[in-house]
Amino acid sequence: DIQMTQSPSSLSASVGDRVTITCRASQRIISYLNWYQQKPGKAPKLLIYAASSLQSGVPSRFSGSGSETDFTLTISSLQPEDFATYYCQQSHSFPQTFGQGTKVEIK
Amino acid sequence: EVQLVESGGGLAQPGGSLTLSCTASGFTFNTYAMTWVRQAPGRGLEWVSAISGTGGSTYYADSVKGRFTISRDNSKSTLYLQMSSLRAEDTAVYYCAKDGVLYSSTLNWLDPWGQGTLVTVSS
Repeated sequence: DIQMTQSPSSLSASVGDRVTITCRASQRIISYLNWYQQKPGKAPKLLIYAASSLQSGVPSRFSGSGSETDFTLTISSLQPEDFATYYCQQSHSFPQTFGQGTKVEIK
Repeated sequence: EVQLVESGGGLAQPGGSLTLSCTASGFTFNTYAMTWVRQAPGRGLEWVSAISGTGGSTYYADSVKGRFTISRDNSKSTLYLQMSSLRAEDTAVYYCAKDGVLYSSTLNWLDPWGQGTLVTVSS
């Protein structure tokens, strides 16, 4: 199975900060990498698919980059509604696997 | 608007069985693969199982293979997950999710997700 490792596991940031979350795959996954946001008690929501494509309706402050094994989710200016847990997911091969999550908290 | 509504969760005894349902609306159900993902309390997301749009191809995580069966009834726009030989470690919120690509022969990103249904396995 492909292992997905996110870093950091958690971070504290202030409104307006630029935030970067990284995701590393244990094997090359080309661009088959997706990012989700989950708020407490809610279902995950798709933010970015195919490494860098912004899902319709998602604010442009979210962006994704990377290929092969190293990927990044960037929030250019953190907003109050962005405090949540973020997960990466590889869709290159079965079983599809998720990173362990990165919790973004208020500083 | 695409909607996915899970049901069927509840309390089950170890070794018992439970069947989850996911009723879909707002899209042509048989043209998209569907996936089940679970989340144990306070933990991360775990991919469980997926099925192609026709139902002809099914996929399982090793942790549930041989115990869970995914199926779909396209005439009812409903996805199912039959769970048997349940274990305490199967306790989780179970989400169904729609594949992101129409008529895809592979599995892709998941969008949207249902609200989830809680399964608790305990004596």
